[in-house]
Amino acid sequence: QKEVEQNSGPLSVPEGAIASLNCTYSDRGSQSFFWYRQYSGKSPELIMFIYSNGDKEDGRFTAQLNKASQYVSLLIRDSQPSDSATYLCAVNPTDSWGKLQFGAGTQVVVTP
Amino acid sequence: DAGITQSPRHKVTETGTPVTLRCHQTENHRYMYWYRQDPGHGLRLIHYSYGVKDTDKGEVSDGYSVSRSKTEDFLLTLESATSSQTSVYFCAITEGTGGLEQYFGPGTRLTVT
Repeated sequence: QKEVEQNSGPLSVPEGAIASLNCTYSDRGSQSFFWYRQYSGKSPELIMFIYSNGDKEDGRFTAQLNKASQYVSLLIRDSQPSDSATYLCAVNPTDSWGKLQFGAGTQVVVTP
Repeated sequence: DAGITQSPRHKVTETGTPVTLRCHQTENHRYMYWYRQDPGHGLRLIHYSYGVKDTDKGEVSDGYSVSRSKTEDFLLTLESATSSQTSVYFCAITEGTGGLEQYFGPGTRLTVT
């Protein structure tokens, strides 16, 4: 069974601090990894994708991928109340082009 | 929003009735997907399409069928709706530039009573 695991949270983060979200996956051959943000009652919004080991930065977001340890993480720097949302990790497993598997999501609450 | 619309946005129906949800895109994307989202399960792939009349099953396809007769429309049909199909349904597309990034439509909230 191919699985994507995330802590459900809520992860409470003071405004201005760094939020750190983790995601582990079971299919060692997975090649593509995605982070989505979803506000309550809204659709998922793609915020980061990463295909290679290491870090990828985009504004206040950094995605980190470690294929050997089978985890991908998302850092949100200088967290703002508008970052309060559920963050979904998605993985494209081996031999399953386009068939993303999603974690259940981590709820982040940024407190002023 | 990647030019995706879904209709209806909300629907309440009775057990045993057929239901069709529509996903419409305006940007000629080849790949389209249907997901359902339920508390505790995240998003799960129902069916996907890689071109007109080319579709395949996803993780939770039982009880659902799809059709794609035009590039812009991807239809999801519940032949005989059950209460377990109460969910939020999202359509997604891949822009087809070589990457796998998927972009989602606004969703349809379906309640089966």
